[in-house]
Formats: sequence, structure tokens, C-alpha cells
Amino acid sequence: SYELTQPLSVSVALGQTARITCGGNNIGGKNVHWYQQKPGQAPVLVIYRDSSRPSGIPERFSGSNSGNTATLTISRAQAGDEADYYCQVWDSNTYVFGTGTKVTVL
Amino acid sequence: QVRLVESGGGVVQPGRSLRLSCATSGFTFSNYALHWVRQAPGKGLEWVTFISYDGSDKYYADSVKGRFTISRDNSKNTLYLQMNSLRPEDTAMYYCARDDFSSLGYWGQGTLVTVSS
Repeated sequence: SYELTQPLSVSVALGQTARITCGGNNIGGKNVHWYQQKPGQAPVLVIYRDSSRPSGIPERFSGSNSGNTATLTISRAQAGDEADYYCQVWDSNTYVFGTGTKVTVL
Repeated sequence: QVRLVESGGGVVQPGRSLRLSCATSGFTFSNYALHWVRQAPGKGLEWVTFISYDGSDKYYADSVKGRFTISRDNSKNTLYLQMNSLRPEDTAMYYCARDDFSSLGYWGQGTLVTVSS
């Protein structure tokens, strides 16, 4: 079965840039979606199809995907960006989530 | 606006059954595929099952195959998850979500299922 690997945690200084990676075999050939989940809340889609933003998501959130790694970038990080982030792909009639990354804004 | 509201969670003994519901509004239900996703306490997201817009295609995670059944009633704008032979490892928050071209664009707030004797 397909697996997606994310770093357990990422720390970023207030106002700086955070990059969260999502590794998978030839993930560049798949559509990658990203979700933000704050404590006690349901996940929210922040990036779809590698790099598109749903309405209402700030331009500070961006995504890229190539080779064996997809990346979610959070620019000008704010305290409100502290959350868990998950990548997700569709593969062989299953939907796979990454292991999740906790982002801490210092 | 798009709304999904789960219900039916609770405490159940191992081996017993439970049926979850997801009532929706704010979009044309019969045009969209839907999912169930779960999250065990303190753990990550785990996709559970998918159903196509008309119910003709259904996919399941290996961990629930043969025990869980997804269904929908397009006349009631409602999604269901029948869970049989429940195990302690099925304890989780269960979310329903709308499929938007393989992403999960809208989520409910979840319903908690606890499997314990």
C-alpha cells in the first residue's frame, strides 16, 4: 500500500517561512492535497491539487510537488497557523493520509 | 453554506454494532461522492471509506473491509456508516467529508465512537 511520510514536527519563528514535506514514491505523479487541523476541530482543506488554494485560504499558504516530495509552504507565519498538517493523495481506489506534522510558531 | 453534521456515536461493547449518520445541506447531495474518515485519540487521520455520487462505487480501508458498510440516501441528503463487529481499535472520532476531485473539501465536526467493555 502507498505510504506518505511527514516530519513529526516543524518549528518556525513568527513572521518567517515554514516548509512541511510529504514524501512518497513518485508522488510528483499524483495530486496532493493538504489539510490543517487545530486542536478540537475538524480538518480544513488548505491546498488542493498540489498548489491551488480554496477560497478563504490566505495567499501565505502555497504548495509544490515534484519527484518524491510534495511541500506545503507557510510564508509570514502567524500564531494562528499553529496546527497539525496532513498531506493526502488518492492511490488505487484508496485515499491515503500522511503521518501528520505539528507546526509550532515560536 | 455547505454543512455536514454527524450523529450516532457513543459507547458500545466490542463485537456490537453502531450506525452513524451524516446529514448534509447547502449543496446538491446527489452530485457528490462522500467519505468517512476517522481519528483515534491523539493520532493522525485515517481514511475509512468512500461512496460515489450515485452509490455505485464503494471503497474501503483494509482495516474495516468486511465489517463496515457505507451507504447513502439521496432523497434524504444523508450518508451512513454501518459498523459491525466493532473492536477497541475502532475507537475514534468519525468525520464525514465531501469529495471534491479527490480532495476532501468540506468536513463535519465529527461524532465520537468508543468501543469498550
